[in-house]
Amino acid sequence: NAGVTQTPKFQVLKTGQSMTLQCAQDMNHNSMYWYRQDPGMGLRLIYYSASEGTTDKGEVPNGYNVSRLNKREFSLRLESAAPSQTSVYFCASDQGRHTEAFFGQGTRLTVV
Amino acid sequence: GENVEQHPSTLSVQEGDSAVIKCTYSDSASNYFPWYKQELGKRPQLIIDIRSNVGEKKDQRIAVTLNKTAKHFSLHITETQPEDSAVYFCAASMGYSTLTFGKGTMLLVSP
Repeated sequence: NAGVTQTPKFQVLKTGQSMTLQCAQDMNHNSMYWYRQDPGMGLRLIYYSASEGTTDKGEVPNGYNVSRLNKREFSLRLESAAPSQTSVYFCASDQGRHTEAFFGQGTRLTVV
Repeated sequence: GENVEQHPSTLSVQEGDSAVIKCTYSDSASNYFPWYKQELGKRPQLIIDIRSNVGEKKDQRIAVTLNKTAKHFSLHITETQPEDSAVYFCAASMGYSTLTFGKGTMLLVSP
């Protein structure tokens, strides 16, 4: 099993450009999440999808949109990238309440 | 919403010593407390978790304790080894809410 797979691993964008981060899981998990990780700030939740067909805002949703394409895939879109969105992005999935979250390998995004 | 404070932000120990990382949470309704380990350049991975109906849980050299009255929980690592060097995150959640993570502790174990 591949677990949680994110693409790309690295990306450099210019301010104002758009891009989509892709995430797929093969564990038949119901819930999927997008986090950003910044030095000294821990993991902050951007958006999540508790089940197929639903999405909700997390702690830091501004500047992002998400799509739960199907049970396996959950994408994160930056419509107009800003330097403040320079971060490491992690996708995660779990079976739901109080279960282990499995993380992807991360995407290091730099906006110049 | 829930707020999780984690201390210390960095911790340096000698190999073989014990390490303790502490977290406090704000919402007394929180009832699930996992700990994740993130090695440099890698993804976070669950190492141990505890639910509010349990006061302590052990797994080999790792243990977690929970004090519901004081709203704090701690990670204890005994006989530390260089491979324990990583960033450790505590987290808390209640019911069907999402996890709220602490800001992390960088543990450095010197040979």
